[in-house]
Amino acid sequence: NAGVTQTPKFRVLKTGQSMTLLCAQDMNHEYMYWYRQDPGMGLRLIHYSVGEGTTAKGEVPDGYNVSRLKKQNFLLGLESAAPSQTSVYFCASSYRSGKNEQFFGPGTRLTVL
Amino acid sequence: GESVGLHLPTLSVQEGDNSIINCAYSNSASDYFIWYKQESGKGPQFIIDIRSNMDKRQGQRVTVLLNKTVKHLSLQIAATQPGDSAVYFCAARNSNDYKLSFGAGTTVTVRA
Repeated sequence: NAGVTQTPKFRVLKTGQSMTLLCAQDMNHEYMYWYRQDPGMGLRLIHYSVGEGTTAKGEVPDGYNVSRLKKQNFLLGLESAAPSQTSVYFCASSYRSGKNEQFFGPGTRLTVL
Repeated sequence: GESVGLHLPTLSVQEGDNSIINCAYSNSASDYFIWYKQESGKGPQFIIDIRSNMDKRQGQRVTVLLNKTVKHLSLQIAATQPGDSAVYFCAARNSNDYKLSFGAGTTVTVRA
């Protein structure tokens, strides 16, 4: 099993550009999450999904949108990138019965100029 | 919401010694406390969790202690190895919530 995969691994955007980060998991997990990680601030939840077709806002949702059209995929969109969105983005997934144990992808390093 | 914080941002440990990583939390209503390990260039990895009705839980070479009186938890790593060099995060969760609240992380460096 590949676990949780993320594409792309690196990306550089100019202010105002848009992009989509793709997360895929092959563990049949019900829950999926998007986090951002900034130096000295730990992981902050952007959006999450408890099932196909459902999404919810996390701690820092502004400037991001998500979609979960298929159970195994969770997409994170940046509508109009800003320098403040420069960060490392992690996707994670978990079983409904095991919410403490989240399985993380390798991350996407995004730089917005 | 929950606020979790770590006491020290860095910890240097001699190989073979025991490591103790500390974490404080603010919300006494949290039901679960969790430790994650993040190696350089990788995503975080679950280590161990403990429910709020427990004081201690042991895993493979790791022990988590929970002191609800002072809202403090710690992760003890026995016989620290070079592969234990990583950033360690504590997190908290309420049982009726899906979300984890993470602390800022402690960077553990193992000296040979």
